[in-house]
Amino acid sequence: EVQLVESGGGLVQPGGSLRLSCAASGFTFSSYWMHWVRQAPGKGLVWVSRINSDGSSTSYADSVKGRFTISRDNAKNTLYLQMNSLRAEDTAVYYCARDRDSSGYKDWGQGTLVTVSS
Amino acid sequence: DIQLTQSPSFLSASVGDRVTITCRASQGISSYLAWYQQKPGKAPKLLIYAASTLQSGVPSRFSGSGSGTEFTLTISSLQPEDFATYYCQQLNSYPPTFGQGTKLEIK
Repeated sequence: EVQLVESGGGLVQPGGSLRLSCAASGFTFSSYWMHWVRQAPGKGLVWVSRINSDGSSTSYADSVKGRFTISRDNAKNTLYLQMNSLRAEDTAVYYCARDRDSSGYKDWGQGTLVTVSS
Repeated sequence: DIQLTQSPSFLSASVGDRVTITCRASQGISSYLAWYQQKPGKAPKLLIYAASTLQSGVPSRFSGSGSGTEFTLTISSLQPEDFATYYCQQLNSYPPTFGQGTKLEIK
């Protein structure tokens, strides 16, 4: 059974940093591209970032470019999102999701809440 | 970026009703469209991919159609568990954008 478990969310002050993790199991993690998607409270889904299977290629939404860094450790079956210079508008539930080659994201984690507030 | 506009944003319907949600893309995306269902406090669930392919395990009352710029999600006979928010997503080009969502409520 595929499992994606996010962790690392919490309350952080504006300008602060946080690193999210997504522990994967039940599939060959190193074979799949992975994504982060976020959802602000009461709002819709917004794609944040993606990384290819070996970590050599990444993409970001304009809203987080230069502040967030996606990475992965295939030996540990773990995806990361390093978030720096956090803003109030980054407050959201952050989900990791497994890519399926342009066929949608079938597998999602449960999400981890990031709250940016003083 | 490709914009996806869903209509309606809110939909009130009864159990047994047939409902249709539309997703329009700002430019052609071939059939690279997925539909998701999300319930409060839960992660999205993939219903349809490639515009019309039903994800394994999803009830056959859900169907999708369209290509290019206009797509529809149809639920043939609403069940109590179908009341949720639905999102379309384009996977034709980066960034892979989502529609704003359609909240389906019980009448």
